[in-house]
Amino acid sequence: EDQVTQSPEALRLQEGESSSLNCSYTVSGLRGLFWYRQDPGKGPEFLFTLYSAGEEKEKERLKATLTKKESFLHITAPKPEDSATYLCAVQDLTNTGNQFYFGTGTSLTVIP
Amino acid sequence: DSGVTQTPKHLITATGQRVTLRCSPRSGDLSVYWYQQSLDQGLQFLIQYYNGEERAKGNILERFSAQQFPDLHSELNLSSLELGDSALYFCASTGPQGTEAFFGQGTRLTVV
Repeated sequence: EDQVTQSPEALRLQEGESSSLNCSYTVSGLRGLFWYRQDPGKGPEFLFTLYSAGEEKEKERLKATLTKKESFLHITAPKPEDSATYLCAVQDLTNTGNQFYFGTGTSLTVIP
Repeated sequence: DSGVTQTPKHLITATGQRVTLRCSPRSGDLSVYWYQQSLDQGLQFLIQYYNGEERAKGNILERFSAQQFPDLHSELNLSSLELGDSALYFCASTGPQGTEAFFGQGTRLTVV
């Protein structure tokens, strides 16, 4: 069964204090791994797609990396506006429906 | 703006009632996914439609049903509502490749 586990559940950082969020996954065959940002009461906002081990994507202060078993979302010198819940999701090649399996997220708070 | 439109944004109804949530996917997207997000819970996959046909089913209750119309908009019908059905309901759409889902802003359902 496809599984996605994110850690930590919650993370508090001082402004400028870099850190990483982890997403461990188990799928029969990885079609894609996705990172989303979700603000309270809002829909998830797409950030990155990673398809194969070794791939990296960057956007402003965020950088996503992928290995065969996990993905990291690195946040460099975060700002208060980066506070949100970050969600990881996977798609399994063997599922005809291509549904997305989501982790429960990491709630990030950046303190000024 | 993701391009995915959900209506209504908020819905308050009584137990035992029936409601319909509506989703318009991004222009050109054929696939629509429905997710439920309860307080402090992750995104739970309910059902997926592709070009009018059901493609995959997740943890969708028998009291819930959905359909996708020829113009590709989708409706999620929730009946015999219970207090536990109170949640955020999101729809998402994907393009031809079936990856990179874009989410609407959700419908917040409150059952009283």
